[in-house]
Amino acid sequence: DVKVTQSSRYLVKRTGEKVFLECVQDMDHENMFWYRQDPGLGLRLIYFSYDVKMKEKGDIPEGYSVSREKKERFSLILESASTNQTSMYLCASSFPRDYLYFGPGTRLTVL
Amino acid sequence: AQRVTQPEKLLSVFKGAPVELKCNYSYSGSPELFWYVQYSRQRLQLLLRHISRESIKGFTADLNKGETSFHLKKPFAQEEDSAMYYCALSERDDKIIFGKGTRLHILP
Repeated sequence: DVKVTQSSRYLVKRTGEKVFLECVQDMDHENMFWYRQDPGLGLRLIYFSYDVKMKEKGDIPEGYSVSREKKERFSLILESASTNQTSMYLCASSFPRDYLYFGPGTRLTVL
Repeated sequence: AQRVTQPEKLLSVFKGAPVELKCNYSYSGSPELFWYVQYSRQRLQLLLRHISRESIKGFTADLNKGETSFHLKKPFAQEEDSAMYYCALSERDDKIIFGKGTRLHILP
């Protein structure tokens, strides 16, 4: 079974804090993705990576950055958390041109 | 502009009735389309993809390039079909874009 794991299920941070969300996959997938999921807005792509040290902006990259130093790990960084970044964050991975395997999600609350 | 449109936020259907979840897309190349499902308290997972042309849990979806649609259908709804359904499009750079989702509620 493919496993995509995320470091936390729930996270509460304060405005202005730096936040790290970690994602690890064990299937040697080239592609990794970060989405945020909000009611009524669906899943919106923040960033994706198609190889180590490679990244591409998604539709809503503002306020976020990513890091992929190893193939199995893709980190999402909120440099200075704001309340409008309160959301469910989903990590996913895949082979090229294949379907996504999702992690369980991290529900982030920024106070 | 929205590349994947799911016009219904909520669809309520009686058990045993047919289900159709609509999805329209905007893409100039050869589209690769998917349906994903999220059951209550479970992670998002693939339901089906158009290149497989198979039926999963009784659901089918046909790609209609003329109408740029990929509607999800099931002839007889079951209570366990209640979930959130997302249509997704894979663009040529492997970026995968989702619609806003449709919550399917099966009424007893």
